[in-house]
Amino acid sequence: LAKTTQPISMDSYEGQEVNITCSHNNIATNDYITWYQQFPSQGPRFIIQGYKTKVTNEVASLFIPADRKSSTLSLPRVSLSDTAVYYCLVGGGYNKLIFGAGTRLAVHP
Amino acid sequence: EPEVTQTPSHQVTQMGQEVILRCVPISNHLYFYWYRQILGQKVEFLVSFYNNEISEKSEIFDDQFSVERPDGSNFTLKIRSTKLEDSAMYFCASGSGRETQYFGPGTRLLVL
Repeated sequence: LAKTTQPISMDSYEGQEVNITCSHNNIATNDYITWYQQFPSQGPRFIIQGYKTKVTNEVASLFIPADRKSSTLSLPRVSLSDTAVYYCLVGGGYNKLIFGAGTRLAVHP
Repeated sequence: EPEVTQTPSHQVTQMGQEVILRCVPISNHLYFYWYRQILGQKVEFLVSFYNNEISEKSEIFDDQFSVERPDGSNFTLKIRSTKLEDSAMYFCASGSGRETQYFGPGTRLLVL
């Protein structure tokens, strides 16, 4: 499974848009890109998944360039409750998920 | 919205005791997984299960671990003789095989 690289931590303020970029240079043709959110002592929560171009749902957008070697999770107008660890994973289907350290997002008042 | 559930939420046990962690996956999912997360560390894959058999397991998943789907709804992880280093959050996940996996809330296991 492709390895991913993302920032260890980010800081933001309430109401701002947050963009977290993940690089995955060795992504395979059939790999999807998936982002999860995790709060302390809780299970990872699925946020969004995409294969190429742009995907948007009620909580986030995912931007994937044509070469698919990176992706950007965009969280519009964050609130304090968005403070969490965000994981970028590549793979797909029934394969195991390999988690990295994720990006620790801190949202400040 | 369907979700994965896990019981118990917390389990305290003595070293050497057996524990069984239970999960109810999302009803139409066919692929089931266990992961664990030691405090302050990454989420680690333990085992995947499909069609009533293990499809993949990690190095962590040694002979002390076993999984079972005893009926049409439950998916269990058994640790036969717990060690101190088994203390962790254990997460069950399920998937349809086409999209992503959905995780349960976890069981916090503390081995004393």
